[in-house]
Amino acid sequence: NAGVMQNPRHLVRRRGQEARLRCSPMKGHSHVYWYRQLPEEGLKFMVYLQKENIIDESGMPKERFSAEFPKEGPSILRIQQVVRGDSAAYFCASSPPSGLAHLEQYFGPGTRLTVT
Amino acid sequence: DAKTTQPNSMESNEEEPVHLPCNHSTISGTDYIHWYRQLPSQGPEYVIHGLTSNVNNRMASLAIAEDRKSSTLILHRATLRDAAVYYCILDESGGSNYKLTFGKGTLLTVNP
Repeated sequence: NAGVMQNPRHLVRRRGQEARLRCSPMKGHSHVYWYRQLPEEGLKFMVYLQKENIIDESGMPKERFSAEFPKEGPSILRIQQVVRGDSAAYFCASSPPSGLAHLEQYFGPGTRLTVT
Repeated sequence: DAKTTQPNSMESNEEEPVHLPCNHSTISGTDYIHWYRQLPSQGPEYVIHGLTSNVNNRMASLAIAEDRKSSTLILHRATLRDAAVYYCILDESGGSNYKLTFGKGTLLTVNP
């Protein structure tokens, strides 16, 4: 049973370019969460999605960041016009569709974004 | 946000038990206690969670104080693979809070 998959594992972008990070949840999981870990800091919640719905995006920066989880395919975290401050590790997690699903979140290996 | 307090670092020897403490004096009656760990250059890994009673799973045990103001994660026999940062996290909404708030955690070093 494959775990949460994220790609690419490493991504280098120049300032002003777009970054697309993909996350495939564990089989049977319909809840996806994105977190960001800045260097030397803890993980910070960004957004919580279910299939075709954004449930909570309160942790997302107001501009340039967006996320989706379509009916088919992986969840995508999109960062437009990247700046150096966006350099971080971005982790995706998924959980099963049970009543207290989010008590057990399973994390992917992360995408390390470097903006030059 | 409810706050947890953990030691910055701890050290253990291989094959010995490890007790990782966490204080959460502001916990309320419906707050769940989660533990996650993060190995170097990897994503966090779910370890265990509990509400009031002690919990056991294949990875660890969670001992929760009677007043719930503290808890202890117990690794029964530490291995080198257990070297990681361990995070104690409170879910403040009776299980409905999906925003895991990671603090600085405890860096566990395991000596061979």
